[in-house]
Amino acid sequence: QQQVKQSPQSLIVQKGGISIINCAYENTAFDYFPWYQQFPGKGPALLIAIRPDVSEKKEGRFTISFNKSAKQFSLHIMDSQPGDSATYFCAAWGGTSYGKLTFGQGTILTVHP
Amino acid sequence: DTEVTQTPKHLVMGMTNKKSLKCEQHMGHRAMYWYKQKAKKPPELMFVYSYEKLSINESVPSRFSPECPNSSLLNLHLHALQPEDSALYLCASSLRTRNEKLFFGSGTQLSVL
Repeated sequence: QQQVKQSPQSLIVQKGGISIINCAYENTAFDYFPWYQQFPGKGPALLIAIRPDVSEKKEGRFTISFNKSAKQFSLHIMDSQPGDSATYFCAAWGGTSYGKLTFGQGTILTVHP
Repeated sequence: DTEVTQTPKHLVMGMTNKKSLKCEQHMGHRAMYWYKQKAKKPPELMFVYSYEKLSINESVPSRFSPECPNSSLLNLHLHALQPEDSALYLCASSLRTRNEKLFFGSGTQLSVL
């Protein structure tokens, strides 16, 4: 019930294309869904986050789409750039798990020039 | 200052050594976290401190000993580690444990020989 399932494991996109990463959760008590970006040798950095009362949130080239009834959310990266090449983790927070982020398994994104 | 600073960045230790990892933040955050991350995996929570008191221990072996001397500082003392403990150790902080916005440090890459 505490799992967050993320797909795909890896993604290759051409520069200028759209990158889409999907996550699904089971625990309906989760009330905060962040995406983290991690470069090699660095810690995860918060990229964008959404709460379940909102269906979409956009920050620059990054958009989260949230489907509460399906218990799914996704990250869209528009106009993908080589500098976006990193590992992306979705996560969930809340319910009985305050103090604990539940992470997805991660997606390695490679953007080719 | 929105940084979480971790030292050292790299550490190599033998199985009989004693070493410590250090984490510092000056954002006024009262929740601090230790995570362990293996290559190509998501971070796994180890410990949570809230107001300098240990609030969550995720059944971590006693060879890992956390300490929170004050609200800005978090240590992880290591003793008699095993080669399988080699990983990236990440520190994070948030305003409170019920505040979901975590700031991660860059981590300490630990190798146990």
